[in-house]
Amino acid sequence: DTGVSQDPRHKITKRGQNVTFRCDPISEHNRLYWYRQTLGQGPEFLTYFQNEAQLEKSRLLSDRFSAERPKGSFSTLEIQRTEQGDSAMYLCASSIDRVEQFFGPGTRLTVL
Amino acid sequence: GEDVEQSLFLSVREGDSSVINCTYTDSSSTYLYWYKQEPGAGLQLLTYIFSNMDMKQDQRLTVLLNKKDKHLSLRIADTQTGDSAIYFCAERVPGNQFYFGTGTSLTVIP
Repeated sequence: DTGVSQDPRHKITKRGQNVTFRCDPISEHNRLYWYRQTLGQGPEFLTYFQNEAQLEKSRLLSDRFSAERPKGSFSTLEIQRTEQGDSAMYLCASSIDRVEQFFGPGTRLTVL
Repeated sequence: GEDVEQSLFLSVREGDSSVINCTYTDSSSTYLYWYKQEPGAGLQLLTYIFSNMDMKQDQRLTVLLNKKDKHLSLRIADTQTGDSAIYFCAERVPGNQFYFGTGTSLTVIP
């Protein structure tokens, strides 16, 4: 296991479509985070899981966004009825403690 | 805990030291971090400092924390062209949320 992996790396979709991204954390990392990063900005926190429990959600996470981590391992982030403003890099990170986070390469979403 | 500010650009000559600065507003920050992001890549954790420390050194990297002024800096000694990247500072606040700055783009001139 070499790190956090995300799939797909790139996604192009039309406005109004639904998209789903997957994150596989480092093995045995019980904490998993989702962030969104737009051009020229730092990552913005979206949500956080400890094992399968979603413990924190940012107010940035509208009703169109949902995240799951059903077995406490991989996680999915779904965006329904995508809008052009959803175009961004979606980053996943995992950690085994509260101190260090390790980031995946991200999924770049383009909404046309 | 959401206002983390950094200057946008820094240029240095190869072999010189680089100093990247960051200010934050949340006095309850527990840990402060420096990440590096190269084009097309994810964020790489460089180093972090606990909020009750004022300095941490790790090879070419020196982190200074002034908690009173809520100021964090990263010094890179003997800067190399491979250090060219965007550097983000971040704070962890109670509730386990992390807030990132806008990033400083470091350009190393050969």
